[in-house]
Amino acid sequence: QKEVEQNSGPLSVPEGAIASLNCTYSDRGSQSFFWYRQYSGKSPELIMFIYSNGDKEDGRFTAQLNKASQYVSLLIRDSQPSDSATYLCAVKGTSYDKVIFGPGTSLSVIP
Amino acid sequence: NAGVTQTPKFQVLKTGQSMTLQCAQDMNHNSMYWYRQDPGMGLRLIYYSASEGTTDKGEVPNGYNVSRLNKREFSLRLESAAPSQTSVYFCASSRGQGVYNEQFFGPGTRLTVL
Repeated sequence: QKEVEQNSGPLSVPEGAIASLNCTYSDRGSQSFFWYRQYSGKSPELIMFIYSNGDKEDGRFTAQLNKASQYVSLLIRDSQPSDSATYLCAVKGTSYDKVIFGPGTSLSVIP
Repeated sequence: NAGVTQTPKFQVLKTGQSMTLQCAQDMNHNSMYWYRQDPGMGLRLIYYSASEGTTDKGEVPNGYNVSRLNKREFSLRLESAAPSQTSVYFCASSRGQGVYNEQFFGPGTRLTVL
């Protein structure tokens, strides 16, 4: 079992819809969880992090964490074509200072 | 602040050649990382340095060496390049303390080994 898993996609949603991106992880002791956005040919950039169970909202983005189910998700409301990118889930586990990245989910927002 | 910088941006090597990828950060971060990214594989950790003077292997360290020259700089060396090392290489840095550990990435180096 891979340590961090994501649906590879591609995920296609119409402009204005809600995009839902999912991530599961294997290390039950994981402490913090990150969502990075990566445009084609560019480096990853952090858009959200969460470390407590529940929801965390930042503008159009909501991160949801359920540690009991070892599941973290990212919701993008009112999706825009500029949201088209690969979204990487990253998990900080019990090993000091190491973050494990998932393979990423490709999102395409159709105008 | 420049954040995380990497040189070179592009490089083509022949099998067996050696080269060093340079990385520097100006955010006074303690921890630095080298990743490679291949299609469908996500980011894989090669080596990391939790603090100045320490380095540790990541998921895919074979064929690479690193040097944490000082707090700002972390270099990655390929001693004898192989076609399997064709990839995009990213350097990143973080404060390295506490649960947050947000990582900031450099622009990447696209390496092709012929």
